[in-house]
Amino acid sequence: QVQLQESGPGLVKPSQTLSLTCTVSGGSISGGSYFWTWIRQPAGKGLEWIGRIYTSGSTNYNPSLKSRVTISVDTSKNQFSLKLSSVTAADTAVYYCARGVAHFDYWGQGTLVTVSS
Amino acid sequence: QSALTQPASVSGSPGQSITISCTGTSSDIGGYNYVSWYQQHPGKAPKLMIYDVSNRPSGVSNRFSGSKSGNTASLTISGLQAEDEADYYCSSYTSSSTLVFGGGTKLTVL
Repeated sequence: QVQLQESGPGLVKPSQTLSLTCTVSGGSISGGSYFWTWIRQPAGKGLEWIGRIYTSGSTNYNPSLKSRVTISVDTSKNQFSLKLSSVTAADTAVYYCARGVAHFDYWGQGTLVTVSS
Repeated sequence: QSALTQPASVSGSPGQSITISCTGTSSDIGGYNYVSWYQQHPGKAPKLMIYDVSNRPSGVSNRFSGSKSGNTASLTISGLQAEDEADYYCSSYTSSSTLVFGGGTKLTVL
């Protein structure tokens, strides 16, 4: 059974860079033709797709976040990561990692990141 | 990219059927058979209920079904049960190789 687990700081200061890691267990991150995705959800609001990465390193990003987002993968650690630069209070949200490209069958439990000084 | 349009809320009584709509454009829903639906209970991660318009993952009740016509997709839940009360989100692959979600629909079981 594939499991995903997000980790990283729960508090980030405005203008700094948010960094999260998703650790995949129960299977190899590079096994199969899977994409790995980040999604976020502000409190009380809907889901927002942030971007995805293939194990080759190929990425796609949400146009509204593209200038600030970097997603990378470390197959040796079975992890993929999210960096979001120049954060503001509007980036406060629960961040989820998930498996898939057009639909997401496995999700992490989510991690709350608050942007505040 | 603009979010897909869903009704903010729907409701139904136990045993009844409800349908949630999800409207997009020819660049997303209308252009691809890659519409998915997710169920989210408070404080939990979303759960995949329907993928590729009408396919159910293993373990999802056959009371859940999906369809699409033009730029609008629909999720139908038949035989409503109290446990179906949750938020539901649609999503679609887009012509820009990105993905877009709907704003979400709160289902209340009366």
